[in-house]
Amino acid sequence: TQLLEQSPQFLSIQEGENLTVYCNSSSVFSSLQWYRQEPGEGPVLLVTVVTGGEVKKLKRLTFQFGDARKDSSLHITAAQPGDTGLYLCAAEGGTYKYIFGTGTRLKVLA
Amino acid sequence: DTGVSQDPRHKITKRGQNVTFRCDPISEHNRLYWYRQTLGQGPEFLTYFQNEAQLEKSRLLSDRFSAERPKGSFSTLEIQRTEQGDSAMYLCASRYIRPSKDVQSSYNEQFFGPGTRLTVL
Repeated sequence: TQLLEQSPQFLSIQEGENLTVYCNSSSVFSSLQWYRQEPGEGPVLLVTVVTGGEVKKLKRLTFQFGDARKDSSLHITAAQPGDTGLYLCAAEGGTYKYIFGTGTRLKVLA
Repeated sequence: DTGVSQDPRHKITKRGQNVTFRCDPISEHNRLYWYRQTLGQGPEFLTYFQNEAQLEKSRLLSDRFSAERPKGSFSTLEIQRTEQGDSAMYLCASRYIRPSKDVQSSYNEQFFGPGTRLTVL
């Protein structure tokens, strides 16, 4: 069974701080996505990484796919209250079916 | 709005009743997924369709659950004889898979609908 573990599960930080969220697995994936989800809504895609070692930036968010395509990280610089939400990683195991991580709930305090 | 839509957004029902949810995917997307998400957890895969064919079902999908996509466009998810444990957010996602020998070149992202929150009393 392919599992994606995210850490930390919960994170509460002050506005302006930096943070990193991790997504780890023992399996190799052909691609990995990061989503943010707000209460009562569906997940919204932030980024997709497909190449081992790939780094993508989206404003203050930096995403990295591990060289072996088994893990990924999301780094947020100078967090803002608007970054608050549930961050989910999801990976495709080659059968066009997605497996989601356990999620990281982020709260950024003003 | 050309995104994925789901109806209803909220459903409250009594234990033992049947419920049906609808998902309208992005029009050119040939693949449609159903997920279930409980509070504080990531979505769990339930089933997916390639056009009108249901290609895979999770073991989470008991006999009380049935999904259809009769014309390869919208999809319905029905839960019969609901139980309190069925209370969750039911999410639909769609995607376009382009036929290609190169898996990476046929890759496209999936897009989620807003979900249907089911509460079974």
